Amino acid sequence: SQTIHQWPATLVQPVGSPLSLECTVEGTSNPNLYWYRQAAGRGLQLLFYSVGIGQISSEVPQNLSASRPQDRQFILSSKKLLLSDSGFYLCAWGRIQETQYFGPGTRLLVL
Amino acid sequence: DQQVKQNSPSLSVQEGRISILNCDYTNSMFDYFLWYKKYPAEGPTFLISISSIKDKNEDGRFTVFLNKSAKHLSLHIVPSQPGDSAVYFCAASSNSGGSNYKLTFGKGTLLTVNP
Repeated sequence: SQTIHQWPATLVQPVGSPLSLECTVEGTSNPNLYWYRQAAGRGLQLLFYSVGIGQISSEVPQNLSASRPQDRQFILSSKKLLLSDSGFYLCAWGRIQETQYFGPGTRLLVL
Repeated sequence: DQQVKQNSPSLSVQEGRISILNCDYTNSMFDYFLWYKKYPAEGPTFLISISSIKDKNEDGRFTVFLNKSAKHLSLHIVPSQPGDSAVYFCAASSNSGGSNYKLTFGKGTLLTVNP
């Protein structure tokens, strides 16, 4: 069966510090990978998606970037965090027009 | 432009009764729809989906109805249980062009089932 991992679970970072969130998937190959953010009281906003190694599509221009160095690894980064980057970050995997399966999420608080 | 709308931010029902969660969409190219359930500080969990070639899909206590002409879908939970209390997200995707990689989510409805 497939499993998706995210870490860390919780992160408190000062404004202007860098960020690296990691997501890995087990039990499947060549998945589509996604990063979402849920801000407080809001829905799920798609940030990035990837259909293969090194292939990244950005949905919303912002202070974040994503990379996919391996088939089942997806990384969300920032060089300098802003207060507005606070939120709940979710990684998901899926295939073309099939269900997406989500990881447990990372709660990021930027102070 | 919000293409998937869940107009009720919250819903409260009694245990054992039916919960009906509603979702409207504006993009006529959407042809696959999903419902997710989310507890606080956890990732969403897939519940049930429906393709546009169907108008109903059932899985245990959960049934999703799709009305394509009205661009409306609903999730019925019968009977409702206190453990069903969570935020429910409606999502949609399109099989056209590059859109079939992406899901568009509504803002969610908080369901509270009272014992």
